[in-house]
Amino acid sequence: QVQLVQSGAGVNKPGASVNISCQASGYPFTRYYIHWVRQTPGQGLEWMGIINPIAGITSYAEKLQGRLTLTSDTSTSTVYMELSSLTSEDTAMYYCARDDHKLWAFDIWGQGTMVSVSS
Amino acid sequence: DIQMTQSPSSLSASVGDRISITCRASQSINTFLNWYQQKPGKVPKLLIYGASSLQSGVPSRFSGSGSGIDFTLTISNLQPEDFATYYCQQSYSTLRTFGQGTKVEI
Repeated sequence: QVQLVQSGAGVNKPGASVNISCQASGYPFTRYYIHWVRQTPGQGLEWMGIINPIAGITSYAEKLQGRLTLTSDTSTSTVYMELSSLTSEDTAMYYCARDDHKLWAFDIWGQGTMVSVSS
Repeated sequence: DIQMTQSPSSLSASVGDRISITCRASQSINTFLNWYQQKPGKVPKLLIYGASSLQSGVPSRFSGSGSGIDFTLTISNLQPEDFATYYCQQSYSTLRTFGQGTKVEI
């Protein structure tokens, strides 16, 4: 079964960092790029960044440059998202999603990880 | 970045209706346009890719059209399970921006 499984929810203090994992299974991990998307409560989808899992090459949304870091571990088929210097505006559901290179679309999504930023 | 603008932001409809949602890109994106459906508390689901290709398993009452800048998602014979929020997304650029969403309500 093709799936992406994300790590669990958490509460983080302002100024701290959060690290979320996204483990792939059921398909060749290195052949599909992984994107991260977030959704603040009651709001729309915001694209955050992309990683090529085998090369480790990344691109980030301009507003998150300097705070967002995506990495991959091919030995465990896992992509990691780290977001630093958290503020209340980072309170959101975070999703990883597989980019199907034939469809040029996100065909498989993780279940989502809720991050709350509060003192 | 390529900006995606959807309209309307919300609409009310009835079961059996035919509805259309439009999406406009800030520059030409050929047919690199996708549509997703999201229900409350659920993960987004891919409906249409490449502007008009139906994702496997998606009912044929969903259809997409357009190229260049302007795109349309049409749902014919609206069903109760179709009440959700719909997002367009461009895949022309690596930076895969989304529209702001259209909420379809009863």
